[in-house]
Amino acid sequence: DADVTQTPRNRITKTGKRIMLECSQTKGHDRMYWYRQDPGLGLRLIYYSFDVKDINKGEISDGYSVSRQAQAKFSLSLESAIPNQTALYFCATSDLNRGVYGYTFGSGTRLTVV
Amino acid sequence: QQQVKQSPQSLIVQKGGISIINCAYENTAFDYFPWYQQFPGKGPALLIAIRPDVSEKKEGRFTISFNKSAKQFSLHIMDSQPGDSATYFCAATPNHAGGTSYGKLTFGQGTILTVHP
Repeated sequence: DADVTQTPRNRITKTGKRIMLECSQTKGHDRMYWYRQDPGLGLRLIYYSFDVKDINKGEISDGYSVSRQAQAKFSLSLESAIPNQTALYFCATSDLNRGVYGYTFGSGTRLTVV
Repeated sequence: QQQVKQSPQSLIVQKGGISIINCAYENTAFDYFPWYQQFPGKGPALLIAIRPDVSEKKEGRFTISFNKSAKQFSLHIMDSQPGDSATYFCAATPNHAGGTSYGKLTFGQGTILTVHP
């Protein structure tokens, strides 16, 4: 089983719909992140959480919200999806004590908003 | 505004050749510079990383060169192989334990590398 699991892997949704992307991890890491990948823009940070009670906005949080249900679960929601939110979304976790060497990405969710 | 700028956007190399990808950064608070490799359908995976107190780090066929004064760093892939074909991202992070920026990665735009047999 993957250390960082994202569901669904692919999703097509209509403009205006609410959608939730889920992430669960078995790494035991406190820190979790949501990134968005767009061609030519790389990965950009949407939200991050350093523990269950700590949620922080990243550089592109508008139009998104998150929920940290447990240490192992971090969900990303699009309250009212719009076409320019079509992208590849990645969840990641990190280990405070290992820095970048403790960073693990999921396999991604490809979201298409029509 | 992109804090880490990566070039080229795409690169085609013949098998056995050298692949070179360049990155430049602006934020002097960055002090750790990883490179990630991403295959289709997968998340990025750490390839190699460097701290700014060294000018070069080598792991197998992969070498990072770092120029602190110019705020630039580059990835060199020697003897490039078709299996190296992937998207490569440079990144930067302030790696200070305990700070609010700790662990947050800022990525470059990515380079799609194709190695022809």
